[in-house]
Amino acid sequence: QQPVQSPQAVILREGEDAVINCSSSKALYSVHWYRQKHGEAPVFLMILLKGGEQKGHEKISASFNEKKQQSSLYLTASQLSYSGTYFCGTPTPPDMRFGAGTRLTVKP
Amino acid sequence: SAVISQKPSRDICQRGTSLTIQCQVDSQVTMMFWYRQQPGQSLTLIATANQGSEATYESGFVIDKFPISRPNLTFSTLTVSNMSPEDSSIYLCSVLGAAAWGTEAFFGQGTRLTVV
Repeated sequence: QQPVQSPQAVILREGEDAVINCSSSKALYSVHWYRQKHGEAPVFLMILLKGGEQKGHEKISASFNEKKQQSSLYLTASQLSYSGTYFCGTPTPPDMRFGAGTRLTVKP
Repeated sequence: SAVISQKPSRDICQRGTSLTIQCQVDSQVTMMFWYRQQPGQSLTLIATANQGSEATYESGFVIDKFPISRPNLTFSTLTVSNMSPEDSSIYLCSVLGAAAWGTEAFFGQGTRLTVV
């Protein structure tokens, strides 16, 4: 089952912060986050592991809520290069399911 | 990590025809995944391709429409058959590869298909 992402779209000014949420009906054991630029394939950003450990990106962080049914991605001090569509991915062995995506636009 | 070469990168096809998309991985992988991404939408899994067995299709996708081949552990093809304009989409192949932090999804560059 695909995770549910919110919001659908965010528009920021450079330097502002954003939060993107990813929810599941079941407890999440890990969540992947990917960013896709227009016309390109998705690229891995980071993984949030069930113990709260994060791997992958220095300037982007994520967390679980108490029940581990929601993960939030935190983008702080956004840069123009952060623009793109963000997808959360939840491993559902043997494959991965993706949320509908959040389109982030960072303006100067 | 894994590097995936996918081709063609784009094509414009006539309705009723078929297009075969190829993906080559630089390492051996047990499973390859085929996704469809309609304009502005998320990645929808079409099927999982295992070497030596029939692909496993997700609900809403059938083998007659999307036949898949997986002749070895580094290569797979997806055919979009008897195309209609509704098949216009981006098709992506993907593998799950080992990374320092566990597994990571790697994608081909995508095939942008337009059916006219």
